Amino acid sequence: QLQLQESGPGLVRPSETLSLTCTVSGGSIRSSSHYWAWIRQSPEKGLEWIGTIYFTGTTYYNPSLRVTISIDTSTNQFSLKLTSVTAADTALYYCARERAGAIEYWGQGTLVTVSS
Amino acid sequence: AIQMTQSPSSLSASVGDRVTITCRASQDIRNDLGWYQQKSGKAPNLLIYTTSKLQNGVPSRFSGSGSGTEFTLTITGLQPEDFATYYCLQDYNRPKTFGQGTKVEIK
Repeated sequence: QLQLQESGPGLVRPSETLSLTCTVSGGSIRSSSHYWAWIRQSPEKGLEWIGTIYFTGTTYYNPSLRVTISIDTSTNQFSLKLTSVTAADTALYYCARERAGAIEYWGQGTLVTVSS
Repeated sequence: AIQMTQSPSSLSASVGDRVTITCRASQDIRNDLGWYQQKSGKAPNLLIYTTSKLQNGVPSRFSGSGSGTEFTLTITGLQPEDFATYYCLQDYNRPKTFGQGTKVEIK
């Protein structure tokens, strides 16, 4: 059974960079049929798709966000960096696996608060 | 980005009821739409993809229909475990965008 687990700081200072890692277990991140995604959820904005990466390193981002997603196939992990954060970036951050037409597996989510 | 508008934002229903939730897209998205269920404190869970295809393990009381800009999720015979928030997601292009959610509550 595929599992995804987010990890990273729960508190980030305003203007700094938010960094999260997703560890994939129970399956290979080198799958040719899937993309690996970051999604966040807040009461103000609801569910927001952040971006996605393929195992080759091909990325697609939400143009409204200052984000970089990277992948490490040797450790079965992918990562998110969101720069110059503000209080509006406070949210529950999920990593997930996408296939054509669906987001089929989700991590449990990790809460990130932006505050000084 | 494509805007997804769900209605209603909340509804009250009884066990056994038939419930319908609508999602409208700001442009034609063909049939590239999915539905997700989220229970309190949990991640969203895929119910339906490509408008009407039921994800493995999802009960057949859930069904989806529509095309173009208007889509519907129907729950036929609401069960106690179905009280949750439901979201649509367009998969037609990136950035992918979600509806704002419909909370289904017990009457």
